[in-house]
Amino acid sequence: QVKLVQSGAEVKKPGASAKVSCTASGYIFTDYYIHWVRQAPGHGLEYMGWINPKSGGTNYAQKFQGWVTMTRDTSISAVYLELGSLKSDDTAVYYCAREILGVAGITFDTWGQGTLVSVSS
Amino acid sequence: QSTLTQPPSASGSPGQSVTISCTGSSSDIGRYNHVSWYQHHPGKAPKLIIFEVTKRPSGVPERFSGSKSGNTASLTVSGLQADDEAFYYCASDVDSVDLIFGGGTKLTVL
Repeated sequence: QVKLVQSGAEVKKPGASAKVSCTASGYIFTDYYIHWVRQAPGHGLEYMGWINPKSGGTNYAQKFQGWVTMTRDTSISAVYLELGSLKSDDTAVYYCAREILGVAGITFDTWGQGTLVSVSS
Repeated sequence: QSTLTQPPSASGSPGQSVTISCTGSSSDIGRYNHVSWYQHHPGKAPKLIIFEVTKRPSGVPERFSGSKSGNTASLTVSGLQADDEAFYYCASDVDSVDLIFGGGTKLTVL
């Protein structure tokens, strides 16, 4: 079945960077856009942007431009979310999600299990 | 607008119906019929329950329904069950390439 499996939790110091992976299985990797969403403790979902696994093209939400980088490795059906200089406010669970084809609007049918990135000195 | 506006909480007894609103603007909900709703049990991945304002994915009970009027979308959960207790998030396209979420509503089944 369709699955997105994310890398494990990370603990980082302020100013460090982080890289979260999301490995897809059960479908043709290059056929579906992958998006990233985060949820800080006690807060709601926050949209970060997407990557087109076929072309490598990306679109980042304005708030995250210049801070995040999304890449992919088609040989292993994985996408990556690189987070720049981290602050305590960036402590959150980061989710990858697959966009549905043939549906109007950005809509997700499959989510990864989430990766907690904790930022603390 | 950074988030769509949802009430922070809603509640109902088993068997009752509850409606959760989601208010945006003419740039998002009012412009597109691209509203979706997600159910999120803490510690688990969010689950799509409504897309394109009113449609339900396969496997989602008919008890869940969506609607929209102007800049406000709504999710109605009928015949409340204990397992419906979760956070619910609305989402809408904005500017056709970005997505905006609501702040989330915690639904409590009394």
